[in-house]
Amino acid sequence: AQSVTQLGSHVSVSEGALVLLRCNYSSSVPPYLFWYVQYPNQGLQLLLKYTTGATLVKGINGFEAEFKKSETSFHLTKPSAHMSDAAEYFCAVTSGGGGSQGNLIFGKGTKLSVKP
Amino acid sequence: DTGVSQNPRHKITKRGQNVTFRCDPISEHNRLYWYRQTLGQGPEFLTYFQNEAQLEKSRLLSDRFSAERPKGSFSTLEIQRTEQGDSAMYLCASSLSPDRGQPQHFGDGTRLSIL
Repeated sequence: AQSVTQLGSHVSVSEGALVLLRCNYSSSVPPYLFWYVQYPNQGLQLLLKYTTGATLVKGINGFEAEFKKSETSFHLTKPSAHMSDAAEYFCAVTSGGGGSQGNLIFGKGTKLSVKP
Repeated sequence: DTGVSQNPRHKITKRGQNVTFRCDPISEHNRLYWYRQTLGQGPEFLTYFQNEAQLEKSRLLSDRFSAERPKGSFSTLEIQRTEQGDSAMYLCASSLSPDRGQPQHFGDGTRLSIL
């Protein structure tokens, strides 16, 4: 069975500092991996995805993530945090492996706070 | 692309009542998913449709829950005889054919509160 672990339920950074949100996955087949962001009382918005090809993927709002198969990781980074980045971030993996995406399996989320 | 639309946004009801939520997916998307999200947790899969066919149901989907997508467009999720534990955010998502790695697009959810 596939699973996702997000280390740190709450991360706090200063405005302008590096953002690093950690995600490790478990999958017996090549996965598709996603990062979503959720603002209060809203649905989830896709930040970026990895399917195949280049392991460093760039997303919206200056975020990027690197797929590292050897470490089974897909950490999310942003060089310089902005106040508007404060939100909850979810890492997700497909349930059926890379060839046939079914439902997503989500981590428990990491709440990002940005201090002025 | 008008996005995924969910109605109502909020629903407050008494324990034991039935509730129904509606989801309108992005028009060209053939897959539609339902998830449930409780406070402090990530979304958990409930069920999904490929066009009008319901292809998979989670163990979370007890017999009090039923979902339909009669014409392969909008979908409804009904909860009968609601219980306190049903209080959650119910999220709908839609996507194109999955084999191309298409991501799921989420609506803003329906927040259910059971009194």
